[in-house]
Amino acid sequence: KAGVTQTPRYLIKTRGQQVTLSCSPISGHRSVSWYQQTPGQGLQFLFEYFSETQRNKGNFPGRFSGRQFSNSRSEMNVSTLELGDSALYLCASSVSGGGYTFGSGTRLTVV
Amino acid sequence: QQQVKQSPQSLIVQKGGISIINCAYENTAFDYFPWYQQFPGKGPALLIAIRPDVSEKKEGRFTISFNKSAKQFSLHIMDSQPGDSATYFCAARDQAGTALIFGKGTTLSVSS
Repeated sequence: KAGVTQTPRYLIKTRGQQVTLSCSPISGHRSVSWYQQTPGQGLQFLFEYFSETQRNKGNFPGRFSGRQFSNSRSEMNVSTLELGDSALYLCASSVSGGGYTFGSGTRLTVV
Repeated sequence: QQQVKQSPQSLIVQKGGISIINCAYENTAFDYFPWYQQFPGKGPALLIAIRPDVSEKKEGRFTISFNKSAKQFSLHIMDSQPGDSATYFCAARDQAGTALIFGKGTTLSVSS
């Protein structure tokens, strides 16, 4: 059974640009969550989607957004990138919430 | 308050020893407490999880002890091995049941 797949694995962007990250959940998993991991703040919840609807949102500015498609694949977008957005972005999926399986993440560097 | 406090920040244990990592939480509405293990370059992997109606859960060398009244839970790794060297995160699921609140992590080094 394939795990959670995140693309791309690495990304370098310039301040002010926008970026889109992709996540393919485990087959049959309808819940997809996104987390930001940094050395200073640790793992922080961004948002969670279930059946194309955002069910929960963390305390991040509106520059961070996401969506989920009918096949449960999800994307997150960050607009107007700032240096502080440099982080490992992790996607996690579960059947309905909790017991999440994480992908290996996308390492975003903003220069 | 949505917070999970984890200690210690780092831990060095001899091969064959017991590694103990502690976490404390404040929100009594949390209903699910998982532990994750993360190796460099990888995402966190679920190790073991417990619900608040159980005081202890054991899976192989890994045991969670849960103290509901004290709002604390801990991970015990018995017979620690060099391959256990990783960063460990405790977490709690929030009231909405859809987000995990993570501790800051413990870097474990098992010396051979």
